[in-house]
Amino acid sequence: DVKVTQSSRYLVKRTGEKVFLECVQDMDHENMFWYRQDPGLGLRLIYFSYDVKMKEKGDIPEGYSVSREKKERFSLILESASTNQTSMYLCASSLWDREGDYGYTFGSGTRLTVV
Amino acid sequence: KNEVEQSPQNLTAQEGEFITINCSYSVGISALHWLQQHPGGGIVSLFMLSSGKKKHGRLIATINIQEKHSSLHITASHPRDSAVYICAVYTGTASKLTFGTGTRLQVTL
Repeated sequence: DVKVTQSSRYLVKRTGEKVFLECVQDMDHENMFWYRQDPGLGLRLIYFSYDVKMKEKGDIPEGYSVSREKKERFSLILESASTNQTSMYLCASSLWDREGDYGYTFGSGTRLTVV
Repeated sequence: KNEVEQSPQNLTAQEGEFITINCSYSVGISALHWLQQHPGGGIVSLFMLSSGKKKHGRLIATINIQEKHSSLHITASHPRDSAVYICAVYTGTASKLTFGTGTRLQVTL
C-alpha cells in the first residue's frame, strides 16, 4: 500500500514563526499536493508538484511556498505564520493517467494552530 | 456559487438503509473522485470514474457527464459507514481537483 506520511499530527506555532510541514510518500508517485481544509470551505489546493523541483500554484498559494528536492518528499513552508493559517493541512500523492489520478492517497493530516 | 455542489449536507440514517449522496457540478470535467473522510482526518479515495458506474462492495458510484451529476450509493448501511463523503472533479488542468464541501453521514443502530 502507498503510504503518505506527514511529519506532525498536531502543531502549535506562534505568529511570525517560519513553519515547515513535511510530507513523504513511498510509492514513487510523480504528483504531490498540499491542501488545507477548513469548515464550510472544503479542501483547497495550495500547491502541487508533478516532478522534482517543479511546482505549480494552486488556488490559495499566498503566504505559502513549497520545496521538492527529492521525488518522495514535498515540503510546505509558511514563511511567517499568521492566525488565518490555522487549519488542517493535508498532503496527497498520485500517478497521473489521461483519465485522471490513480492511486490518489492522502496523508493523515497536520492540524496547525497559530497563536 | 461553488463549482461542485453536494446534497444533502448532513444525513442521518438507520442501519440497513439505502443511502444516496448527490454531486452536481457546473463545469466540464474529465473525471470525478468520491472520497471518504473519517473523524480524525484521514481521507481515502473510494472511486475515480469518468463514465457509467463502478461498484465496490456495498458502494456504488454513478456519473452522468451530460447532466453534470454523480451519485454515491451505499447499500445496507452500517455505523462504520459514518463519515464525511466528498466529491471532487477534474476541471481540465491535469491533476487539479475541485472539491465539494462534503456530506456528513451518520448511521445509527
